[in-house]
Amino acid sequence: NAGVMQNPRHLVRRRGQEARLRCSPMKGHSHVYWYRQLPEEGLKFMVYLQKENIIDESGMPKERFSAEFPKEGPSILRIQQVVRGDSAAYFCASSPGTGSANEQFFGPGTRLTVL
Amino acid sequence: AQTVTQSQPEMSVQEAETVTLSCTYDTSESNYYLFWYKQPPSRQMILVIRQEAYKQQNATENRFSVNFQKAAKSFSLKISDSQLGDTAMYFCAFIPGTYKYIFGTGTRLKVLA
Repeated sequence: NAGVMQNPRHLVRRRGQEARLRCSPMKGHSHVYWYRQLPEEGLKFMVYLQKENIIDESGMPKERFSAEFPKEGPSILRIQQVVRGDSAAYFCASSPGTGSANEQFFGPGTRLTVL
Repeated sequence: AQTVTQSQPEMSVQEAETVTLSCTYDTSESNYYLFWYKQPPSRQMILVIRQEAYKQQNATENRFSVNFQKAAKSFSLKISDSQLGDTAMYFCAFIPGTYKYIFGTGTRLKVLA
């Protein structure tokens, strides 16, 4: 059973460009979570999605950031008009259900560098 | 506010020795799960150990064990017989509700040969 897949692993963008980060959850998992890790910090929750639904986006910046988890295909975290402060590692996690008993399995992360 | 505090930004230990990483948290929930994750230079988040808050018995996984003090809201990680491969960032985390992990800021552990 393949783990959570994220691509690309590394992404370099210039200020003002768009960044698209992809996440394929583990097989059988219908819950996806995105976290952001700024340098020298822990992971911070951004958004929780189920297929075709955003359940909780309380950790997402109000502007320029969006996420989706379509019926088919991977979950996408999209950052428009990137700025230097968006440079971070973005982790996706998935779980088979919700509830704190359902451990979230993390992908390897995408490291975004904004020049 | 629900928070996790790791008060030791950096620690070092000699190979084969024992080290304890501290973690305290704050929540009004009565049931939750606690975790320790290891993040090596590759940045992959690797689950080290987990503890269910309603279980009094401390979790153990090979050389890794926890000291869980629910009343004190303390959840420390003990690594016995430290190995060079244990060098990494260690994050304490918990889920106070249903899905939102709360992470600490991490402790950078270096195992010395």
